Amino acid sequence: QSALTQPASVSGSPGQSITISCTGTSSDVGGYNFVSWYQQHPGKAPKLILYDVTNRPSGVSNRFSGSKSGNTASLTISGLQAEDEADYYCSSYTRSSTRVFGGGTKLTVL
Amino acid sequence: QVQLVQSGAEVKKPGASVKVSCKASVYTFTNYYIHWVRQAPGQGLEWMGVINPSGDGTFYAQKFQGRVTMTRDTSTTTVYMEVTSLRSDDTAVYYCAREGYGDKTPHFDYWGQGTLVTVAS
Repeated sequence: QSALTQPASVSGSPGQSITISCTGTSSDVGGYNFVSWYQQHPGKAPKLILYDVTNRPSGVSNRFSGSKSGNTASLTISGLQAEDEADYYCSSYTRSSTRVFGGGTKLTVL
Repeated sequence: QVQLVQSGAEVKKPGASVKVSCKASVYTFTNYYIHWVRQAPGQGLEWMGVINPSGDGTFYAQKFQGRVTMTRDTSTTTVYMEVTSLRSDDTAVYYCAREGYGDKTPHFDYWGQGTLVTVAS
């Protein structure tokens, strides 16, 4: 199972919006609405920020939103804040019942 | 608040084995799968496998089959993951993570704090 494809890095200024893509195949991202996103600050465990493509867990800011088209899912962060600077990972359920992660995207808030 | 508390850091020699624990609390242990995910230094997340605490069923990523064993102890609500024949490229932080099943969809809603396993001669 190959990792999902994410850009290595993205950046934006405070207040701006950024989008991180996550590309898979019809056997994972394209085949199920079970894409989730995780935020990881340095030295910390990942934290769930979106699940089932668009759903936010309780307590997660509504500045985080998700979408999917075909084999590509996207995470959008609006109104960028300094605290959003972190690594972001997508994950998907797969046809073989495994789970697969993206390679991760480093977000820099300029 | 749900808690997954993992055992402490380990240093092992190549060829040795390591067993990492993940103690669950503040929820019904048998109602959620526990997955293991690892992260090599400076690298991304890698899914290793899953155990169903209710019934002890396991499912491993093909890469780890034969070298990883996940078990659970329902009396102590603890899940264990053992990795054998350690190599230097097994050096990583190992995380346990909870996932609902049944009427819940697959995603990792709570994570342990991570356990650093260092493999070095």
